[in-house]
Amino acid sequence: GDSVTQMEGPVTLSEEAFLTINCTYTATGYPSLFWYVQYPGEGLQLLLKATKADDKGSNKGFEATYRKETTSFHLEKGSVQVSDSAVYFCALSVNQGGKLIFGQGTELSVKP
Amino acid sequence: GAVVSQHPSWVICKSGTSVKIECRSLDFQATTMFWYRQFPKQSLMLMATSNEGSKATYEQGVEKDKFLINHASLTLSTLTVTSAHPEDSSFYICSARSAQGVYEQYFGPGTRLTVT
Repeated sequence: GDSVTQMEGPVTLSEEAFLTINCTYTATGYPSLFWYVQYPGEGLQLLLKATKADDKGSNKGFEATYRKETTSFHLEKGSVQVSDSAVYFCALSVNQGGKLIFGQGTELSVKP
Repeated sequence: GAVVSQHPSWVICKSGTSVKIECRSLDFQATTMFWYRQFPKQSLMLMATSNEGSKATYEQGVEKDKFLINHASLTLSTLTVTSAHPEDSSFYICSARSAQGVYEQYFGPGTRLTVT
């Protein structure tokens, strides 16, 4: 079945460090891919998305490129801030607006 | 725009009682709402999908008689945990999908249920 695998956390970085959170997926169709962020005590927020191969989603300095050949959607940011500390979820949807399948989440902690 | 609220944000109930959680789309009409369960430091597990005016579709392994879902209007869905037990303690999250424009899901802030 369809699934999403993320790198395990927690990930601890110093402020201004480069961030990569790996995400790979398995899907029978042509999924849309998403990154959601959950700040402490809050609900999930859509961070970025990509709906077809080679699309790049970007928001707030974060980027992820839909790589069909490697079935990946890795999240990157060039310089993290303390305020980026949160749990990041990679997700896919095989039908536009349909149910989301989430990865296990990766906790990011950024130290000053 | 695209705000989803949940009420209550947290609730404590005694074992054997029922508790209702509301999910509202505040500034858009949601033809579909989703209910998820999240265990500590784990991912979200989809419990069911509800469409306005019709019965909810439950994921495999989710007891539909225990987790009653009602989607009576385009802005409100409710999840009732019946005869709650301590193992039902969890974080319940809803999301709503707009009927217009881009079919994204917007998430509520979640409800922390503790059954004693």
